[in-house]
Amino acid sequence: GAGVSQSPSNKVTEKGKDVELRCDPISGHTALYWYRQSLGQGLEFLIYFQGNSAPDKSGLPSDRFSAERTGGSVSTLTIQRTQQEDSAVYLCASKDRPSYNEQFFGPGTRLTVL
Amino acid sequence: GENVEQHPSTLSVQEGDSAVIKCTYSDSASNYFPWYKQELGKRPQLIIDIRSNVGEKKDQRIAVTLNKTAKHFSLHITETQPEDSAVYFCAASLASYDKVIFGPGTSLSVIP
Repeated sequence: GAGVSQSPSNKVTEKGKDVELRCDPISGHTALYWYRQSLGQGLEFLIYFQGNSAPDKSGLPSDRFSAERTGGSVSTLTIQRTQQEDSAVYLCASKDRPSYNEQFFGPGTRLTVL
Repeated sequence: GENVEQHPSTLSVQEGDSAVIKCTYSDSASNYFPWYKQELGKRPQLIIDIRSNVGEKKDQRIAVTLNKTAKHFSLHITETQPEDSAVYFCAASLASYDKVIFGPGTSLSVIP
């Protein structure tokens, strides 16, 4: 079946602009995650959605970052007033219950802020 | 919240040798520990995982060990091959909550 997809694959923007990154999880997966991977760095947790529960936003680096998940499926990560340090690959992952299951990652969106 | 540390950050081994990557976690409630492999330019993929009720798990050339008391877990790769070259990430989560936190990664190079 179809895996996790993300769009766009690449995004170049100017400092100060807003950007929206989209994630389409695997159908039926209740958990959805956003991670940020800076060049050569690890997977920094940003936000986690599980079913209809309130999202865990504890990893969002500033109030310029927000995310929503509509209808328990598609998610959008929004970065307002982008800064150069926001440049990174943004990875989305989804996971099915039960809990001891694999996270399936999307291909990522490479964001470059000029 | 959970914090996962990982060592070493880079590791080079000769083909055929073993490689060991070590991780520590901070939250004693964590009970699920997956390992992901990320090849250059690709997305991370699960290679092995272990639950807290098990001390060791093997899958062919890969094994993972867990010491709950010390909050340590390790990945062991035997008879390394060039295709094992990649970045390896350990992670920890509390299965009932499902928030997965990753370590900073280990870049493994296998020299032919």
